[in-house]
Amino acid sequence: QQQVKQSPQSLIVQKGGIPIINCAYENTAFDYFPWYQQFPGKGPALLIAIRPDVSEKKEGRFTISFNKSAKQFSLHIMDSQPGDSATYFCAARGAQGGSEKLVFGKGTKLTVNP
Amino acid sequence: NAGVTQTPKFRVLKTGQSMTLLCAQDMNHEYMYWYRQDPGMGLRLIHYSVGEGTTAKGEVPDGYNVSRLKKQNFLLGLESAAPSQTSVYFCASSYMSGYGYTFGSGTRLTVV
Repeated sequence: QQQVKQSPQSLIVQKGGIPIINCAYENTAFDYFPWYQQFPGKGPALLIAIRPDVSEKKEGRFTISFNKSAKQFSLHIMDSQPGDSATYFCAARGAQGGSEKLVFGKGTKLTVNP
Repeated sequence: NAGVTQTPKFRVLKTGQSMTLLCAQDMNHEYMYWYRQDPGMGLRLIHYSVGEGTTAKGEVPDGYNVSRLKKQNFLLGLESAAPSQTSVYFCASSYMSGYGYTFGSGTRLTVV
């Protein structure tokens, strides 16, 4: 079964720190790798995404680093703020049952202390 | 700009009762999905639809049924609720297969 393995499960950093969340995959046919951010009581929302032909993508304080040969990608949050406290999910797009869908990691709960 | 709307937001059921969760989207998206979220388990796909009148099984379909009679609506049914179905349920829709998922705000279901 296609999987995306995400680590760590939880992460606590101080304001201004740079939390890093890692994901690994096996299926080389995955062609799109988004990250979703979820605040308590809300649904996940798309944060940033990357394709495998790009090694890095930045949007504001959020950066995805992608290592195609290692089949790994990670999310870095620069100058983290208490408002970044949320659960983050990585995902990968691949064909399952005849149509492409997202497979999600199990999530990382990030806490940014003031 | 409603996006994806889920009703109800909260529900408590007794074991064996049935209910239907409604998902409505106003973005004219072809693809719709139902997920359940449990602590430490992430988001697991229950059923999905690739267009009006179509449905297909996801990763954890047992105990659930779905229908997509209208393009904008995707219904998730529990025929005989079990405590193992206690979860938060999310609906999502997308304009392309596997891209640009928009999630609803969830339904918290407790089965006692």
